[in-house]
Amino acid sequence: DIQMTQSPSSLSASIGDRVTITCRTDQTINNYLHWYQQKPGKAPKLLISVASNLQSGVPSRFSGSGSGTVFTLTISGLQSEDFATYFCQQTYTTPLTFGQGTRLDIK
Amino acid sequence: EVQLVESGGGLVQPGRSLTLSCVASGFTFDDYAMHWVRQVPGKGLQWVSTIGWNSNTIGYADSVKGRFTISRDNTKNSLFLHMNSLRPEDTALYYCVKDKGHSLGGVPATFAMDVWGQGTTVSVS
Repeated sequence: DIQMTQSPSSLSASIGDRVTITCRTDQTINNYLHWYQQKPGKAPKLLISVASNLQSGVPSRFSGSGSGTVFTLTISGLQSEDFATYFCQQTYTTPLTFGQGTRLDIK
Repeated sequence: EVQLVESGGGLVQPGRSLTLSCVASGFTFDDYAMHWVRQVPGKGLQWVSTIGWNSNTIGYADSVKGRFTISRDNTKNSLFLHMNSLRPEDTALYYCVKDKGHSLGGVPATFAMDVWGQGTTVSVS
């Protein structure tokens, strides 16, 4: 199984800050790495697919990068609606696996 | 509007069975692979199972293999998860999820999960 290590597990930041969340895999996954946002009581929402492809309707302050085994999600200019939990996921091979999540809250 | 609506969750005793259903609308259901993903409240996400557009490709997490069966009825835009021999550790919120791709392959297995239902809760106790 491909192990996902997401860091940090929690993060406090202020409106307007730039934050970066990192996801590491223990095998190469050919960029089949995706990022999801989940707000309390809601289902996850796909933000970025295949490392860097922004989904339609997702604000451009969200960006993804990386290759090989290290990937990052960056939010440039935090807005109040961005405070949520973020998960990475690989779909390169089964079992499909998720990172443990990063909880982003207001400082 | 693209939508997935799950049903069938509930409280069940260990060892018993339950079937979850998901009805899709707003997209061409038989073009896409579909998943079940579960989440213990306050915890992370766990992939459960995937079925390809024509049911020819299917995969399961080891933790449910042999106990759970995924199926779909494209004529009714519906996805199912038949769960047997339920265990307390199966307690979770179960999401029905659409994939951006058609099938469950080797590598890559699938694309990303782009539409999620609101989930149905299964409690095994």
